[in-house]
Amino acid sequence: DAGVTQSPTHLIKTRGQQVTLRCSPKSGHDTVSWYQQALGQGPQFIFQYYEEEERQRGNFPDRFSGHQFPNYSSELNVNALLLGDSALYLCASSGGTSGMFLWDTQYFGPGTRLTVL
Amino acid sequence: ILNVEQSPQSLHVQEGDSTNFTCSFPSSNFYALHWYRWETAKSPEALFVMTLNGDEKKKGRISATLNTKEGYSYLYIKGSQPEDSATYLCACLLLGGGSNYKLTFGKGTLLTVNP
Repeated sequence: DAGVTQSPTHLIKTRGQQVTLRCSPKSGHDTVSWYQQALGQGPQFIFQYYEEEERQRGNFPDRFSGHQFPNYSSELNVNALLLGDSALYLCASSGGTSGMFLWDTQYFGPGTRLTVL
Repeated sequence: ILNVEQSPQSLHVQEGDSTNFTCSFPSSNFYALHWYRWETAKSPEALFVMTLNGDEKKKGRISATLNTKEGYSYLYIKGSQPEDSATYLCACLLLGGGSNYKLTFGKGTLLTVNP
């Protein structure tokens, strides 16, 4: 049973560019959440997708957007990259069994390390 | 401000030692708490989810308690082993403005167990 997978593993971009990160959830999971972890900080919740819609969002600007596909995989897009966007981006999936979506145990991928120069 | 604080930031123990660390959160906003273990170069792994005051969870040598009235959770590791070396993350589901819930992570406690 494949766990959560993310691609790419590492990415280097320059300021002003756009980036797309990808995530495939654990088999049987229909909910995908994205997190940003800056150096020395805990992960910060970006947003969560369920049934191809953004269900909940953290305190991130509109430059951060996402998408969920019918097969439950998801993309995170960041436009107009800033130096401060350099971070580890984690994707997590969950099965939505509790009905309280952020309460469900989440299964994390290995992350994508984004460096903005 | 809905802050989740973890202490200590890091600690080193010897193999066989028992240890514990703390996650603190605003008690008035609390809904649920998760503990995760994150080994270097791996993905965070869920340990426990806790919701009720007085809740205690156990998984092998690792256990956790929850005090929602005073706003803290303890994670205990009995007889630490080198393979327990990891960052232990606490994440709290807190009630924000209106009926919105916000998932907030602490910065983690980095545990190093020396053989």
